[in-house]
Amino acid sequence: KAGVTQTPRYLIKTRGQQVTLSCSPISGHRSVSWYQQTPGQGLQFLFEYFSETQRNKGNFPGRFSGRQFSNSRSEMNVSTLELGDSALYLCASSLVGHLDLSNYGYTFGSGTRLTVV
Amino acid sequence: QKEVEQDPGPLSVPEGAIVSLNCTYSNSAFQYFMWYRQYSRKGPELLMYTYSSGNKEDGRFTAQVDKSSKYISLFIRDSQPSDSATYLCAKNPTGFGNEKLTFGTGTRLTIIP
Repeated sequence: KAGVTQTPRYLIKTRGQQVTLSCSPISGHRSVSWYQQTPGQGLQFLFEYFSETQRNKGNFPGRFSGRQFSNSRSEMNVSTLELGDSALYLCASSLVGHLDLSNYGYTFGSGTRLTVV
Repeated sequence: QKEVEQDPGPLSVPEGAIVSLNCTYSNSAFQYFMWYRQYSRKGPELLMYTYSSGNKEDGRFTAQVDKSSKYISLFIRDSQPSDSATYLCAKNPTGFGNEKLTFGTGTRLTIIP
């Protein structure tokens, strides 16, 4: 079955611009989470959506936002880009919004590499 | 103090050796514990997950959790060059609506042929 698909794979933007990243979860997965990965901070949780509602949010400024559509696909947006926003942005989806011990399905995509210049 | 502390590495071992990767965690709430493997330019790939204290084995991999000392480990037996990757430990609170993984910083492992 298809995995988590993130587009685009690579992106170069200039400071001050805004960017939108897309994530298509595994079919049947209703929870979509976003993470930022940098060499200095590692993987940090941005937010999680379930049934089009944001359920959890990490400690990131309001410039980072997201949404989820009725088909569970999700987008995240970063406005007024800063150099420090350069990172690998990862999306993960999980089964029906809870952790099933018998079928742990928290699966990551390959990420979008964002470079801000 | 970070919620999950991980030996930063890097770690280089000869092929065939046993590898030990370790993390400690804070916060004693009910947790799931996971080990992810990440190859360069790829997303993390789930290796193993566990909830209970004790050992869980899957092929050459063994995950160990000691809740009394808040210590989690991953052992790799008969290490192969294809095991060269960054290994990330993570934890997640249990319960509905708690999909928020907290990761260690990762240990870069190189298996030398």
